[in-house]
Amino acid sequence: AQSVTQPDIHITVSEGASLELRCNYSYGATPYLFWYVQSPGQGLQLLLKYFSGDTLVQGIKGFEAEFKRSQSSFNLRKPSVHWSDAAEYFCAVGAGGGYQKVTFGTGTKLQVIP
Amino acid sequence: EPEVTQTPSHQVTQMGQEVILRCVPISNHLYFYWYRQILGQKVEFLVSFYNNEISEKSEIFDDQFSVERPDGSNFTLKIRSTKLEDSAMYFCASSLTGGPTEKLFFGSGTQLSVL
Repeated sequence: AQSVTQPDIHITVSEGASLELRCNYSYGATPYLFWYVQSPGQGLQLLLKYFSGDTLVQGIKGFEAEFKRSQSSFNLRKPSVHWSDAAEYFCAVGAGGGYQKVTFGTGTKLQVIP
Repeated sequence: EPEVTQTPSHQVTQMGQEVILRCVPISNHLYFYWYRQILGQKVEFLVSFYNNEISEKSEIFDDQFSVERPDGSNFTLKIRSTKLEDSAMYFCASSLTGGPTEKLFFGSGTQLSVL
């Protein structure tokens, strides 16, 4: 069965600083990988996804993530964080097959300070 | 962007009572899901639903849980006899197809508190 590990429960960065959120996955075949963001009082919103092709994927809100098979990682990055990026970020892996049963990580809460 | 809507946003119930959580998926979507997030824990898959039947369910989704699409627009999750450990944020989601790369659209959740 697939699993996802997000080792950082909470991260604080200064506005304008760069950001990297870590995600490691476990899955026997080529994984389908996602990053979702959850702002306070909101549902989960898809930032980006990877399932094949270029290992560097671009998402919404200036985020990108790089798939590294050798490290079983799919880290999320942003070159310059804005205060509105404060939220909880979830990495997720989807298995192949007909129905989308996505397994989420425990999330990383991002705090942005002025 | 189209939205999945969930009602109520917060539900408080007594242990042993039945609750129904309601969701209106995006109108042309065909696949529907419930996930839950216990405070401080990961978001967990509960069930997927397609063509008026359950297509997959997790170990969490036992006989106390049921889902229904009663009228072609609503998608409901019923917990027959709530337990304290059912307290969680419940998210409904929908997608156009059930493919593994398909984007899930999530609602903003219903916070269920069982007292």
